[in-house]
Amino acid sequence: QSVLTQPPSASGTPGQRVTISCSGSSSNIGSNYVSWYQQLPGTAPKLLIYRNNQRPSGVPDRFSGSKSDTSASLAISGLRSEDEADYYCAAWDDRLSGPVFGGGTKLTVL
Amino acid sequence: EVLLAESGGGLVKPGGSLRLSCAGSGFTFSNAWMNWVRQTPGKGLEWVGRIKSKPDGGTTDYAAPVKGRFTVSRDDLKNTVYLQMNSLKIEDTALYYCTTGSISITGFDYWGQGTLVTVSS
Repeated sequence: QSVLTQPPSASGTPGQRVTISCSGSSSNIGSNYVSWYQQLPGTAPKLLIYRNNQRPSGVPDRFSGSKSDTSASLAISGLRSEDEADYYCAAWDDRLSGPVFGGGTKLTVL
Repeated sequence: EVLLAESGGGLVKPGGSLRLSCAGSGFTFSNAWMNWVRQTPGKGLEWVGRIKSKPDGGTTDYAAPVKGRFTVSRDDLKNTVYLQMNSLKIEDTALYYCTTGSISITGFDYWGQGTLVTVSS
């Protein structure tokens, strides 16, 4: 059971906009920054978003992050087949004194 | 180009020990906070522990399931971070990644390819 809650799956068609939610509590998302990671099949996770909505260089602006209270969202616009991957959210947890992850969302591009 | 290369994984019996290494290149290793994150099919991603850079104190922090059994250390001359794992349990079986960064400041910005640890009798 992960500390942060994500839907196990999401899907969309090419060109569509999809959002993936991440729900937490006051001890993690409610008081700390959220980051998002993309894991393509058979590869290591890759940082997509940090500090709620900042993109590292090289990450397309099709990916965006937002946070409100104890929830966060990752939005992917102009969906492409290469976006098919697992997506994870993460945040520091003040109560656990360490980072916590969501259980991951498997995105399927139909 | 930033590269992180883990090594040292393998098969070990419950109660045994293993030391993982992660060699970094392409960045100023001595200034980097280094983490270990593990992944299992059943439990997803789980942070294991971290070591701050020496300029930031060089202190370590651990997740509750491994505290007292695992130790993270670093050798800035060799650009290498280590994870010493003692008293291994079956539930420690996972793919272990090293990462750079602070979850709150930069996110875990670079990841290695991982090294597999299997704890089984």
